[in-house]
Amino acid sequence: LAKTTQPISMDSYEGQEVNITCSHNNIATNDYITWYQQFPSQGPRFIIQGYKTKVTNEVASLFIPADRKSSTLSLPRVSLSDTAVYYCLVQGGKLIFGQGTELSVKP
Amino acid sequence: ETGVTQTPRHLVMGMTNKKSLKCEQHLGHNAMYWYKQSAKKPLELMFVYNFKEQTENNSVPSRFSPECPNSSHLFLHLHTLQPEDSALYLCASSQAGLVAGAGKYNEQFFGPGTRLTVL
Repeated sequence: LAKTTQPISMDSYEGQEVNITCSHNNIATNDYITWYQQFPSQGPRFIIQGYKTKVTNEVASLFIPADRKSSTLSLPRVSLSDTAVYYCLVQGGKLIFGQGTELSVKP
Repeated sequence: ETGVTQTPRHLVMGMTNKKSLKCEQHLGHNAMYWYKQSAKKPLELMFVYNFKEQTENNSVPSRFSPECPNSSHLFLHLHTLQPEDSALYLCASSQAGLVAGAGKYNEQFFGPGTRLTVL
């Protein structure tokens, strides 16, 4: 049963690149890795999903090494509005959310 | 209306009350989910429905009773709740259910949640 581990919190400043790493040592062959963003009192929102190597979209990049035992969400040039909780999710036959990383972006 | 909607957005109830939470998805998805999110805790998956059939119940107490009359609607019936059941209850939907290798087809689309307070 895959379990994810990510840092509880991170601080950053506006304009910086932020990298949040998630560990998922027991990921199964068919599992995908998905990251969600959640603001207070709202439902999580999809950011990016990947299976291996690198995936990039308009808001983030996701780096997954060959062994797939971890993944790194990269947010380029964060702004104050990126302050939120970021969840790493291993998706397959089971849904296992991590405890989330509370990102605080300061001016 | 688009996306996933939930009503009510806020609910206060006593321990002897019976209430229901409603979720509706306008995305044409086949799977729907209930999650519980307590303060400072990760999301806890409660129930999963795929094509109206319950496929997952994560040891949820019987005071929570889900109902899925069709692929677009999901209810959570509440009775005899405890104060520790106070939480944000989130509904989600996805194109596919919990299928290994489904990738983007089980991307979760969440509703805004119902903030439940049990007195």
